[in-house]
Amino acid sequence: DVKVTQSSRYLVKRTGEKVFLECVQDMDHENMFWYRQDPGLGLRLIYFSYDVKMKEKGDIPEGYSVSREKKERFSLILESASTNQTSMYLCASKGDLNTEAFFGQGTRLTVV
Amino acid sequence: RKEVEQDPGPFNVPEGATVAFNCTYSNSASQSFFWYRQDCRKEPKLLMSVYSSGNEDGRFTAQLNRASQYISLLIRDSKLSDSATYLCVVNDGAAGNKLTFGGGTRVLVKP
Repeated sequence: DVKVTQSSRYLVKRTGEKVFLECVQDMDHENMFWYRQDPGLGLRLIYFSYDVKMKEKGDIPEGYSVSREKKERFSLILESASTNQTSMYLCASKGDLNTEAFFGQGTRLTVV
Repeated sequence: RKEVEQDPGPFNVPEGATVAFNCTYSNSASQSFFWYRQDCRKEPKLLMSVYSSGNEDGRFTAQLNRASQYISLLIRDSKLSDSATYLCVVNDGAAGNKLTFGGGTRVLVKP
C-alpha cells in the first residue's frame, strides 16, 4: 500500500523558532512537493523537488526552505516561524507525468 | 488570472440528483489532469484522472475540452457520502511535473 508519511499531525511552535516538517514516501518517486492550505486560498505550492538535492521554488517560497538529501525524504524548514505561517501543510509525492500524486495526512502547524 | 479556477460553491444537491461543475486552466501546454476529493480536515485523494476522450467511473464522469481549456466533473445519482470538496489538478509537464490545484468546489448532498 502506497504511503506518504508526515512526521507530525499537529505542531505548536513559538514565533522565531526554527521548524522542521518531515515527509517520507515509500514509492521510489522522483517528485515531491510541499503545499500549504488555507481557507479560501486552496492549496498553494511552496517548493518541489524532482530529484535528490534538486529543488524548485513554488508560488510562495518566502520564509521557507527545503532539503532533499535522500530520495524518500523531503523536509520543509521554516527558518524563523511567524504567525502568518500558521496553516495546514501537505506533502505529496508523484511518479511520472500522467500518474497521480499521493498526499500525506497533513501537519496542522500553529505558530503562537 | 489564476492558473486553475473553480467555482467554490457550495453546490447544494438533493440526494439522487445530478450535479456538474467545471474547472478552467490557463496553460495551454498542460499535459495531464485530475480530479481529487478532499473531505473536511483530511488530505486530498485521487477521484479520477481525466483523459482526452473523457472517462467514466461508476457515477462519475470526467471530460476534457482542450480547445476551451476546461475540464468537467459530473456526478449522477448523488449520495450523501459524495459531500466533499472536489479539487481540479493540472500537471504542466515541466521538470518536476509541477501540479497546480484549483481552489476546490464544495458539494453538499442533502436528504
